[in-house]
Formats: sequence, structure tokens, C-alpha cells
Amino acid sequence: TQLLEQSPQFLSIQEGENLTVYCNSSSVFSSLQWYRQEPGEGPVLLVTVVTGGEVKKLKRLTFQFGDARKDSSLHITAAQPGDTGLYLCAASGEYGNKLVFGAGTILRVKS
Amino acid sequence: GAVVSQHPSWVICKSGTSVKIECRSLDFQATTMFWYRQFPKQSLMLMATSNEGSKATYEQGVEKDKFLINHASLTLSTLTVTSAHPEDSSFYICSARDSGGASYNEQFFGPGTRLTVL
Repeated sequence: TQLLEQSPQFLSIQEGENLTVYCNSSSVFSSLQWYRQEPGEGPVLLVTVVTGGEVKKLKRLTFQFGDARKDSSLHITAAQPGDTGLYLCAASGEYGNKLVFGAGTILRVKS
Repeated sequence: GAVVSQHPSWVICKSGTSVKIECRSLDFQATTMFWYRQFPKQSLMLMATSNEGSKATYEQGVEKDKFLINHASLTLSTLTVTSAHPEDSSFYICSARDSGGASYNEQFFGPGTRLTVL
């Protein structure tokens, strides 16, 4: 069974601070996605990383896929209250179409 | 693009009744859709994989006679919670894979359905 460990589980920071969320596994994944979810809504896809060592930027968000495709990180620079939400990493293996989800990180950015 | 809708967005029903939830891919075709259940402040728990034109594949511990799934077209999957009980109250979310998209297993999620069973 492929497992995806996500940390931290909770994060409460002040506006303007930086933060990093990690997603780790002992398995190799063919692709990894990061989603953001607000209460009462479905997850929204932020990014997909496919290549080992890949770095993608989305405004103040930087996503990195590990060289071995076993881990990923999401870094937010100068967090804003609008970044508050549940962040989920999800990945799929070489032969499956199901996504394995991390436990999620609840981020709260205080103004 | 890649919009998925769900209906209803919330439903309240009496114990023992059945509830049907619809999941539609609005601007793409989806041979595969997924149904998840989510508890407050937790991650998504996959219930079943819905395959167009064939039987759904259920995850271990999910009762297929309790949660009926039908995927009759490339844009519609339905989840019916039969004889619902209070413990079935939850947030149900569907997702869909774009059959014509890149093979990165990206899933696009619906807005979810809040089910409350009294």
C-alpha cells in the first residue's frame, strides 16, 4: 500500500510569514498534485508535478518534486489571510489511476 | 475548463430514506469518476471508482449495496445512499479524470454534497 505522509498537520501563522508543507513517501510516484480546499467546497487543483527535481511557481507558491519522485514540498512566501485553507497532496503510482492522499495541512493565516 | 458539478449541494433526509447525488463533468468526458467521503478537518477517503459502462470498484470496507454507483454516460455518475442512517451523514465529493487529457491522473473535483441524516 502506498502511503503519503504530509506535515505539518496544522499551521497557524501571522500574515507575511513564510511556510513550507511537506509530503513524503517511500514509494515512487509518476505524478503528484497539490490541492487547496476551503470549508464546504471541493478541492481545487493547484499544480501537477511530473519530473524528478521539477520546480513550479504559482505566484507566491513554489512547488518542488523530489529528484527520486518520492517527496514534494509546497512553500508559500509572505502568506496572506486568503491562503487559509486545507492543503492536500495527492499522488499516483505507475500503474494505478487512483490517487493516494496525504492527511492534509490546515493552514490559518492571521491578519 | 475541467469543471465538475455536483447536485444537490446539500440534502437533509430522514433515517431510512435513500438519497441520490449526481456528479457531472461539464466540459470534458470522463470514463472514470471517483467518489470520496470527507469528515471535518480530515483528508479525503476514497469510497469507490466509477467506470463508465461497467461496475464500480469499491474500496475495502465500503458496502456496495449501501452505496450504489451508476456511471451510465461519459459525463454523469450517480451515488445513491440507500436506507441512510445518521452515521452516513458526511461530506461527499466526486472527482473526474479527463479522458482526453494528459495522463497525469489529475482529478477535478466537484463542490461536494453535504448529507445530513436525521
